[in-house]
Amino acid sequence: DAGVIQSPRHEVTEMGQEVTLRCKPISGHDYLFWYRQTMMRGLELLIYFNNNVPIDDSGMPEDRFSAKMPNASFSTLKIQPSEPRDSAVYFCASRYGPTSYEQYFGPGTRLTVT
Amino acid sequence: DQQVKQNSPSLSVQEGRISILNCDYTNSMFDYFLWYKKYPAEGPTFLISISSIKDKNEDGRFTVFLNKSAKHLSLHIVPSQPGDSAVYFCAALTGNQFYFGTGTSLTVIP
Repeated sequence: DAGVIQSPRHEVTEMGQEVTLRCKPISGHDYLFWYRQTMMRGLELLIYFNNNVPIDDSGMPEDRFSAKMPNASFSTLKIQPSEPRDSAVYFCASRYGPTSYEQYFGPGTRLTVT
Repeated sequence: DQQVKQNSPSLSVQEGRISILNCDYTNSMFDYFLWYKKYPAEGPTFLISISSIKDKNEDGRFTVFLNKSAKHLSLHIVPSQPGDSAVYFCAALTGNQFYFGTGTSLTVIP
């Protein structure tokens, strides 16, 4: 298995632009998580899905952030409009709920908003 | 509000010695704890876990200790190896909600 795939690996954009981050979870996994990593706060959970349904989005910073999971093999995290304080590394992770607490992380997307 | 805290941002240890990474938490409802290891430009990878009903779990060179009364978790690596140099994240779970610490950067000096 290729593991969790994220794209792009790096994104540089100007303030005010729309940014879309993509994630392909491990096949068969029924949970998908989006995290943001910053030096000050470490890894913060933004939102998670179970069987493609958003379960908890309380970690989403504000309305500028939205996430979708149209099917079991694809999810997006969108920021519109982007701001410099959104600069961080965004990770996607998946797991198979019935048998394990272990999450498998993707390599992350490093977002820089100038 | 950080429910999981790693108060040491960095740690340096000589090769062959013991590395001890610490983690404190505030929520007594956490029922599972995990340690993740992260290399630069990669996502975190699972290292070891412990249920809240246990106080120790060992896997090769890695041992996790849980002190529920103190709400304290520690990861022991012995002997430490240069390849262990990475950032280590402590995580706690309640329901399906994971809470991560800010990480401790471990450097093992050859």
